[in-house]
Amino acid sequence: NAGVTQTPKFRVLKTGQSMTLLCAQDMNHEYMYWYRQDPGMGLRLIHYSVGEGTTAKGEVPDGYNVSRLKKQNFLLGLESAAPSQTSVYFCASSPTSGAVYEQYFGPGTRLTVT
Amino acid sequence: AQSVAQPEDQVNVAEGNPLTVKCTYSVSGNPYLFWYVQYPNRGLQFLLKYITGDNLVKGSYGFEAEFNKSQTSFHLKKPSALVSDSALYFCAVRVWNFNKFYFGSGTKLNVKP
Repeated sequence: NAGVTQTPKFRVLKTGQSMTLLCAQDMNHEYMYWYRQDPGMGLRLIHYSVGEGTTAKGEVPDGYNVSRLKKQNFLLGLESAAPSQTSVYFCASSPTSGAVYEQYFGPGTRLTVT
Repeated sequence: AQSVAQPEDQVNVAEGNPLTVKCTYSVSGNPYLFWYVQYPNRGLQFLLKYITGDNLVKGSYGFEAEFNKSQTSFHLKKPSALVSDSALYFCAVRVWNFNKFYFGSGTKLNVKP
């Protein structure tokens, strides 16, 4: 199993440009998450999904949109990138059925907005 | 509101010495607690978790953690540190019937030869 993969690994955008980050998992997990990691701030949840076709906001959703059209994929979109969105983005997945399961993380996408 | 605190931004320890990385939490309901490790330019890797039962849980790479309900703590420990343990460590909490994990801000562990 590849686990959780993220595409691309690195990206540089100019202010106002748009892009989509792709997360894919092959573990048949129901839950998927998008986080951003900034120095000294740990991981902050952007959006998450508890199943195909469902999404919900996390603690820092502004400026981002997501879609979960297929169970194995979770897309994170930036419609108009801003320098404040410069960060490392991590996707994670987790099985369903309660809180006992840990998350499995992808390798991250490093995004720079100039 | 659920929250996790890691009071130390950085912990320095000599190789061979015991190490402790601290974590305290605040939740409404029974907590499920996790530790993750992050090596440079990598994603987070799961180390261990406390769900129920024995307060001392053992995990990967010789790490263990002690759940203390009265002190609302879940400190990560290792009896003898290795240089290769140097990394960023995150504590996380999840509560039953909540879909979200709450992460601490991370603690950088430096193990010196």
